[in-house]
Amino acid sequence: EAGVAQSPRYKIIEKRQSVAFWCNPISGHATLYWYQQILGQGPKLLIQFQNNGVVDDSQLPKDRFSAERLKGVDSTLKIQPAKLEDSAVYLCASSLELAGAFDGELFFGEGSRLTVL
Amino acid sequence: SQKIEQNSEALNIQEGKTATLTCNYTNYSPAYLQWYRQDPGRGPVFLLLIRENEKEKRKERLKVTFDTTLKQSLFHITASQPADSATYLCALDTTGGFKTIFGAGTRLFVKA
Repeated sequence: EAGVAQSPRYKIIEKRQSVAFWCNPISGHATLYWYQQILGQGPKLLIQFQNNGVVDDSQLPKDRFSAERLKGVDSTLKIQPAKLEDSAVYLCASSLELAGAFDGELFFGEGSRLTVL
Repeated sequence: SQKIEQNSEALNIQEGKTATLTCNYTNYSPAYLQWYRQDPGRGPVFLLLIRENEKEKRKERLKVTFDTTLKQSLFHITASQPADSATYLCALDTTGGFKTIFGAGTRLFVKA
């Protein structure tokens, strides 16, 4: 079974530039998550989708971050404009169960490492 | 708001010994708690899930306990090996069970 795919693996940009990350979850997984992991910290949830609807985006900095999940499958996370403090690893995860009836594990991708100069 | 606390100091142990990692939480009573392993440059990998009505769960050399009175989970690795060296993350669900939040993790080093 293929795992969660993410791209790009690494990205270096100047502050105020824009960047986009792509995620393809495990086939059949209804719930998709984007986490931000700053060096030395645990993953912080940015946004959670159930199929193509948003379940939680309370910690997403909406003035600069946006995310979408078209057709309930792939997802894109965009940052525009980027700030120095956005330097982090952006992890995508998926789970089989629907939100509100969670009963299992999260499957993570390898992450996209962003460096903002 | 919910808080998860894991020992920020790295844990160094000798091969063959039992490693014990602690996860404390406040301001909430989660329905379940999970443990993940994360290697440098990789995404977290699920290890175990324990529910609020379970006191203990085992999987091979791994054991997790869940004390809802103390608001604490202990994660044990018996007969530890250098390959067990990694960061271990504690995670729990939030109100309504709609999302999973993570602690900062504890780095484990197992010396041969």
